Formats: sequence, C-alpha cells, structure tokens
Amino acid sequence: DAGITQSPRHKVTETGTPVTLRCHQTENHRYMYWYRQDPGHGLRLIHYSYGVKDTDKGEVSDGYSVSRSKTEDFLLTLESATSSQTSVYFCAIQGGSYNSPLHFGNGTRLTVT
Amino acid sequence: GQQVMQIPQYQHVQEGEDFTTYCNSSTTLSNIQWYKQRPGGHPVFLIQLVKSGEVKKQKRLTFQFGEAKKNSSLHITATQTTDVGTYFCAGYSSGSARQLTFGSGTQLTVLP
Repeated sequence: DAGITQSPRHKVTETGTPVTLRCHQTENHRYMYWYRQDPGHGLRLIHYSYGVKDTDKGEVSDGYSVSRSKTEDFLLTLESATSSQTSVYFCAIQGGSYNSPLHFGNGTRLTVT
Repeated sequence: GQQVMQIPQYQHVQEGEDFTTYCNSSTTLSNIQWYKQRPGGHPVFLIQLVKSGEVKKQKRLTFQFGEAKKNSSLHITATQTTDVGTYFCAGYSSGSARQLTFGSGTQLTVLP
C-alpha cells in the first residue's frame, strides 16, 4: 500500500466542538484529497490540494476547512462539528498525471453526538 | 454538477454465479476508474478505462467503457467469496479534471 496514514482512526466528539483530522503521506505526491463516505452516497469530495498552501473545494465543502503547510500533511478541520458530519473520512493521494489512480488511507470514523 | 449513478445498490449471489454492476454518468467522461472496498476497509484501485468502447479483463473480471463514454460495467464470472465487497466506479468529466466523482457503489455478497 502507498505510504499514507490517517489519524485518529476513530473519534467521538460532541456537537459544536472543533475537530481536526490528519492525513500524512510519505510518497511526496503533489495531490491530496479528503472524501467522506456515507451509506447510499459513495465517496464525496470535500476538499483537495494540488500543492503546499494550494487547496480547492469539492462538492460537499460547507462546514469544512483544510490546510496544507507541508507536502506530506493535509489537515481537515470541522470548525464546529454537527451530527450531519458523522461519517467515515478518507484521505487519498495521487501521483503522476491528473487521471492517475487514487491511493486511499485507512479512514477515520467520526461520530458527532 | 456531474452525477454518476450505479446499479444495483446491493446484490446477493450464490458462489459460482455471475455478477454485473452498471455505472452511468450524466456527462461524458474522460476516463473511468473502478475501485473495490472490502468490508471495513478502504477503496482500492482496480483498473482504468480511457478509450471509447474499451474492454479490459483481469482474470474473472471484465470491464467495459461505453461507446459514448457515459457508461461502464464490471462483470465478474463465477463469483468467489473473495469477491465480497463494494465496487465503485468513478470518473472525471472533461470540465473538472481534479474532481473524481464516485458512483454510490454496488455492495456484493457472495453466499457459499
């Protein structure tokens, strides 16, 4: 598997609290992505990054922010968690051309109570 | 925006039976990728199709990309219990090179 690690693996938090999920890669890939997975919806893109300090929104970006201060780290922050953000979050990395395969991390299961 | 629909959502088959999942996009795709996710796991890349009408095979798996580049299918011959999981198609439309849109997936159960 590609060198990609997500932390934490599991998180339970209360509504209204801030939460940060971390994605760390050792592949030196330029492109990194955050997806959320919910039953019946497949994987939906939240935000992505195409380089240090270069990020853009995906289809479900409301309520989320991201930062990438180093090539290897891509952080996803829920400023004020809501129950609708209970989900499994996957980070993915992509090397090579724009249509290269994505390599996913093991995911973070987030529960907002 | 681009939508990718996948059917069926669930499929139960007896071991040894064939299985097919279908993927349809609302827009023309520049390419299509297929991923498999085992229960409790993460999506893993299987294959990519780029050309109109392209057919690729991986052992018992056959992947097709439609002539209009708006649909695709995955067919598994003689399913095995190791085929259990959720299969996703995903595609890039020509106007959003960095937004890979995933179908909702087909969850395959293989009964021994």
